[in-house]
Amino acid sequence: DAGITQSPRYKITETGRQVTLMCHQTWSHSYMFWYRQDLGHGLRLIYYSAAADITDKGEVPDGYVVSRSKTENFPLTLESATRSQTSVYFCASSWTGMETQYFGPGTRLLVL
Amino acid sequence: EDKVVQSPLSLVVHEGDTVTLNCSYEVTNFRSLLWYKQEKKAPTFLFMLTSSGIEKKSGRLSSILDKKELFSILNITATQTGDSAVYLCAVDRRPGGTSYGKLTFGQGTILTVHP
Repeated sequence: DAGITQSPRYKITETGRQVTLMCHQTWSHSYMFWYRQDLGHGLRLIYYSAAADITDKGEVPDGYVVSRSKTENFPLTLESATRSQTSVYFCASSWTGMETQYFGPGTRLLVL
Repeated sequence: EDKVVQSPLSLVVHEGDTVTLNCSYEVTNFRSLLWYKQEKKAPTFLFMLTSSGIEKKSGRLSSILDKKELFSILNITATQTGDSAVYLCAVDRRPGGTSYGKLTFGQGTILTVHP
């Protein structure tokens, strides 16, 4: 039972490059979420999805794009990476949005 | 604007001490408050609280919610070095609003337990 996985686990990129972070879950959860975690800010929601082809902005969506063509995958793309997007990114999922979310292991992204 | 505030931001104790972590919130359409533990990796779920005054307990950890005063506390008794972690509080909302299903997190409390 793989649960929820993220790839890559670590990524170094340069300012201006496009980067895609992958998230895959094996539970068929309807809801999926992307958070970023920075010191002093806790976890902040970037985007979320209630089902395939349904996505919505969170608290800090600028500079990010998401898609959800399949229930199990929820990729997050940084269209043109900036240094301020250096962070740890967590993907999470839940069945209905009414109970606890389960988190992936995180992707540590460094933008030079 | 919805707000979740945790205190203290960091805490250093010795093994065997009892600690109390606080989480206050101002959220429209509040439904539940959740506590997570994060040890240098993904947050792991501890408790979900929806009703005021009912204590949730798991081993040495317990938590309670006060919906009138809009806060929750997480207690850890007889702390151990393995309790060292960041403790995160989050709130979610009732269905029907635009924020349904989206968690708002506090900044976290960094707990360090020395032997």
